[in-house]
Amino acid sequence: DSGVTQTPKHLITATGQRVTLRCSPRSGDLSVYWYQQSLDQGLQFLIQYYNGEERAKGNILERFSAQQFPDLHSELNLSSLELGDSALYFCASSTTGTRGADTQYFGPGTRLTVL
Amino acid sequence: TQLLEQSPQFLSIQEGENLTVYCNSSSVFSSLQWYRQEPGEGPVLLVTVVTGGEVKKLKRLTFQFGDARKDSSLHITAAQPGDTGLYLCAGVSRGNNDMRFGAGTRLTVKP
Repeated sequence: DSGVTQTPKHLITATGQRVTLRCSPRSGDLSVYWYQQSLDQGLQFLIQYYNGEERAKGNILERFSAQQFPDLHSELNLSSLELGDSALYFCASSTTGTRGADTQYFGPGTRLTVL
Repeated sequence: TQLLEQSPQFLSIQEGENLTVYCNSSSVFSSLQWYRQEPGEGPVLLVTVVTGGEVKKLKRLTFQFGDARKDSSLHITAAQPGDTGLYLCAGVSRGNNDMRFGAGTRLTVKP
């Protein structure tokens, strides 16, 4: 158990819909990262928040957005969903805001299926 | 095109065999990380290598960072079914600390 929790574990929805994925970081971690993992693209970095502020942006689509709240939990919002958005979405947390400088602890992921 | 190329993509071996998987790039990294991901779970960090030529051992796993800090290898001795999983490498770029993952090597160790 990494200490990072993600809900829901599974999500099935239809094209055009909007969903929200939730992540609670490890106690004491200030940074939250979101990743998308699909069979053909591997693990892709989407976005990072540090202590409530956006720190880095990766391959995140404009239809996707995220935020980190004062209690440090984070939400990833996916809208106008397409079939190609079906993937595993992982949240990770770390102590500092510097990617690669310290260990990222990954949650168990949310499996999103868009029908 | 992946910044980090991992090979082989799939590997199926018998318990007790040795194996090596590779992580290659044309880019120089300040550090490189190896993760193992088991089905239904998130990746778990195994090791971070920082210095060119560095070798780190974790029980039966040996990790090596290339001299030029562009590539790395993971060698497993006497593989066990518990080693089954997806092995991912991730390179951290100098300067901006951009971290990119390879597509992974999916290892199956049969009893």
